[in-house]
Amino acid sequence: DTGVSQDPRHKITKRGQNVTFRCDPISEHNRLYWYRQTLGQGPEFLTYFQNEAQLEKSRLLSDRFSAERPKGSFSTLEIQRTEQGDSAMYLCASSHIPGELFFGEGSRLTVL
Amino acid sequence: ILNVEQSPQSLHVQEGDSTNFTCSFPSSNFYALHWYRWETAKSPEALFVMTLNGDEKKKGRISATLNTKEGYSYLYIKGSQPEDSATYLCAFSSGYSTLTFGKGTMLLVSP
Repeated sequence: DTGVSQDPRHKITKRGQNVTFRCDPISEHNRLYWYRQTLGQGPEFLTYFQNEAQLEKSRLLSDRFSAERPKGSFSTLEIQRTEQGDSAMYLCASSHIPGELFFGEGSRLTVL
Repeated sequence: ILNVEQSPQSLHVQEGDSTNFTCSFPSSNFYALHWYRWETAKSPEALFVMTLNGDEKKKGRISATLNTKEGYSYLYIKGSQPEDSATYLCAFSSGYSTLTFGKGTMLLVSP
């Protein structure tokens, strides 16, 4: 499978715990995006990498959130001290052309 | 703050019905308008990328039009089938910026 893959697909955690999601983009894509989708909303932009450089971050990305893309390949999104409001679907997408995004199936987070 | 609006929020049609959805977006600083289909438990799938005013694109029974001057796009599905059931998202781009998505239109097609 050469699409965007995300892991884990589902995560249930208790409030206050840390969680980490991983995204493996399509191999030749140098751009990688993280979006978050909550119930009744469309995907909301969180952050964007070009190769290993994090070029843009949304104000939605509080200081409890951190994203990395070491070596410009896979990316991780970590949420520290999770809150119930962090419950959402976290979507990763990659592209080699600006704006033409290929999405993974998402990682669904439930914070109890 | 970019505002992308989609209507209706949800739609329930019978197999064979034709339907259409609307996406409205800022008419200034327009670069591209994207349509995605998102089926449950799958990844959002790109349907169309539209850049020129008056663009019309078609893929099978699905087509889309674009009016950048007034800031709207229509998505049409002819002869809806149960497998068309999904959430249809539109997304606006103002250049090399990221995509701003609407909330989507949830379509349910009953056999």
